[in-house]
Amino acid sequence: KAGVTQTPRYLIKTRGQQVTLSCSPISGHRSVSWYQQTPGQGLQFLFEYFSETQRNKGNFPGRFSGRQFSNSRSEMNVSTLELGDSALYLCASSSGTGANEQFFGPGTRLTVL
Amino acid sequence: AQKITQTQPGMFVQEKEAVTLDCTYDTSDPSYGLFWYKQPSSGEMIFLIYQGSYDQQNATEGRYSLNFQKARKSANLVISASQLGDSAMYFCAMRKGGGNQGGKLIFGQGTELSVKP
Repeated sequence: KAGVTQTPRYLIKTRGQQVTLSCSPISGHRSVSWYQQTPGQGLQFLFEYFSETQRNKGNFPGRFSGRQFSNSRSEMNVSTLELGDSALYLCASSSGTGANEQFFGPGTRLTVL
Repeated sequence: AQKITQTQPGMFVQEKEAVTLDCTYDTSDPSYGLFWYKQPSSGEMIFLIYQGSYDQQNATEGRYSLNFQKARKSANLVISASQLGDSAMYFCAMRKGGGNQGGKLIFGQGTELSVKP
């Protein structure tokens, strides 16, 4: 089984721009969660999508948004980038029903200049 | 509110010895799950072990075991026979409810483990 894939792996943007990150879950998995990892704040939950619906949401501003498509692939968008958005963005996939294990992708490292 | 605390920012262990990584948690929910993940320098998070709040026995997965003490709200990870490849960051995490409660994990700050040859 192929693992979780995230594209792109690395991204450099400037303040004020917007960015879209993509995550393809493991085949058959319907839940995709997004996390932001920074040295200062650690790992923080952004949101979770299950069957194209946002099921859980963390405490991030509205500049952070996401969506999920019918094939379970998910995208995360950050608008009006700020320097503090520089982070490793990880997505995790799980079956979403009765499963305990979440499988993480390799992450997208975003640098905002 | 749920909270995970890992009080050891860094630890050293000699190869082939056992090591315990501490994790305490705080929650008022009766149903929750506890996880440990390993993050090598490559960045990918690797699932190690899971313990449900209602599980009667401590979870084990190969060289990993979870020392679950519910009354003390602790979920320490024990790695037996450490290997050089165990050098990484280790994160304790908690999720409210059982497996169908969604993917929202609350993470601790992590412990960086270094295995010495």
